[in-house]
Amino acid sequence: QKEVEQNSGPLSVPEGAIASLNCTYSDRVSQSFFWYRQYSGKSPELIMSIYSNGDKEDGRFTAQLNKASQYVSLLIRDSQPSDSATYLCAVIFMDTGRRALTFGSGTRLQVQP
Amino acid sequence: EAGVAQSPRYKIIEKRQSVAFWCNPISGHATLYWYQQILGQGPKLLIQFQNNGVVDDSQLPKDRFSAERLKGVDSTLKIQPAKLEDSAVYLCASSPTRDTQYFGPGTRLTVL
Repeated sequence: QKEVEQNSGPLSVPEGAIASLNCTYSDRVSQSFFWYRQYSGKSPELIMSIYSNGDKEDGRFTAQLNKASQYVSLLIRDSQPSDSATYLCAVIFMDTGRRALTFGSGTRLQVQP
Repeated sequence: EAGVAQSPRYKIIEKRQSVAFWCNPISGHATLYWYQQILGQGPKLLIQFQNNGVVDDSQLPKDRFSAERLKGVDSTLKIQPAKLEDSAVYLCASSPTRDTQYFGPGTRLTVL
């Protein structure tokens, strides 16, 4: 089992719809969860961080964390063609003592005009 | 505020040659990371520095990869000799506190 798993997609949604991106992670001590957006040929860009169970909203983005289910998601409301990118879920696992990110392979999102 | 700087942006080499990448983190960021991102995959940590000390290099292929961070600021990552499977984007990131990491533009390496 991979440590951080994401559906590779592509996830295709029409413009204006809600895009729902999901991520599961392995049963290890974890503290911090992040969503990064990566456009083709570019480096990852931080969108959201979440540290406790529940929802966290920032503009059109909402991150949801459920530690009991080892599940973190990202909702994008009113999706725009400019949101088309690969979305990377990342987790910091505390049991190794290091604070580096462990990434999933990413979900490619396509927003159709 | 200036972001993380990396150079070169692109590099093409023959297998068995050596190559070096340079990173300048955001000013004041104590933690610096090097990640390798192979096409279609998420970034994978190679090495993590705290100031000029190594925190974690467990995933660094030490027979061919080396890295240093002089004076706790700039860092270089070297590959010698390069293999075909080293073709990837090498990303440098820095972090102030509380885990948030900011990535540089990356260096795309092609090994022929």
